[in-house]
Amino acid sequence: DQQVKQNSPSLSVQEGRISILNCDYTNSMFDYFLWYKKYPAEGPTFLISISSIKDKNEDGRFTVFLNKSAKHLSLHIVPSQPGDSAVYFCAASATGTASKLTFGTGTRLQVTL
Amino acid sequence: NAGVMQNPRHLVRRRGQEARLRCSPMKGHSHVYWYRQLPEEGLKFMVYLQKENIIDESGMPKERFSAEFPKEGPSILRIQQVVRGDSAAYFCASSLTGTVIGNTEAFFGQGTRLTVV
Repeated sequence: DQQVKQNSPSLSVQEGRISILNCDYTNSMFDYFLWYKKYPAEGPTFLISISSIKDKNEDGRFTVFLNKSAKHLSLHIVPSQPGDSAVYFCAASATGTASKLTFGTGTRLQVTL
Repeated sequence: NAGVMQNPRHLVRRRGQEARLRCSPMKGHSHVYWYRQLPEEGLKFMVYLQKENIIDESGMPKERFSAEFPKEGPSILRIQQVVRGDSAAYFCASSLTGTVIGNTEAFFGQGTRLTVV
C-alpha cells in the first residue's frame, strides 16, 4: 500500500530551466510534507517542507506547492543547476505520528548542460 | 558539529549471521529513527527510539530485528540470522524533539549498506 507516490522515476531538465517534481498521496491524515534530496551513497538531506495549512512555501530556488483537494504536491526548482542532479524523495507525516515519515519511491533528476 | 554518524558504511554477512548497525545521533539529539531502503524503493520507517525507550516500533519486522538506544553510547539496530532479503541500505536519523515537522526536521546519516551473501 503505497501511501506516497512519485510516479516519475526519472526526469531530465536542461540547466537554467525549471524542474517540476510531482508527488501524490492517498492518506488524508497526512498534514505535513517534506522533500529530501539524496546523492548516491549518502543519506537524504532535508530540502523544504510545507504544512497542510499552507498551499505554497518558497526557499530560494525551491518552491513546494500543495493541493490538498487533489492530494498532490510538487517541487519546483528554478533555475535548475547541474548540482541539483540527485534523487528527490517526497515524504509525509501525520499529526500524532510526526516522528514517522512515509516516503515516496523517489524521482531521479538529471540536469544537463 | 558532526552530523549523524553511522558505522559501518558497508557490512557483508553470510546467511545466518548477525548484523549490528550503529548510529550516533547529532550532538544534543535524543530522538533516533531507523529506516530501511530496499533496492528501487523509498525509505521505510522501522523504529523510533528515545534514550532507553522504544517509542514506536510499528515498522519493525516481528522476528529477528531489534533496536536499542542505551543511556550511553550509540543506537544499535540488530538483525539476527540474516537472510538475503535483509540486504538493503539502513538509514538512521536523529532530531532535537520527537517530531520531524517544523524546524526540527530529522537529519539522516549516510547509511549502512548491508549485503547478505
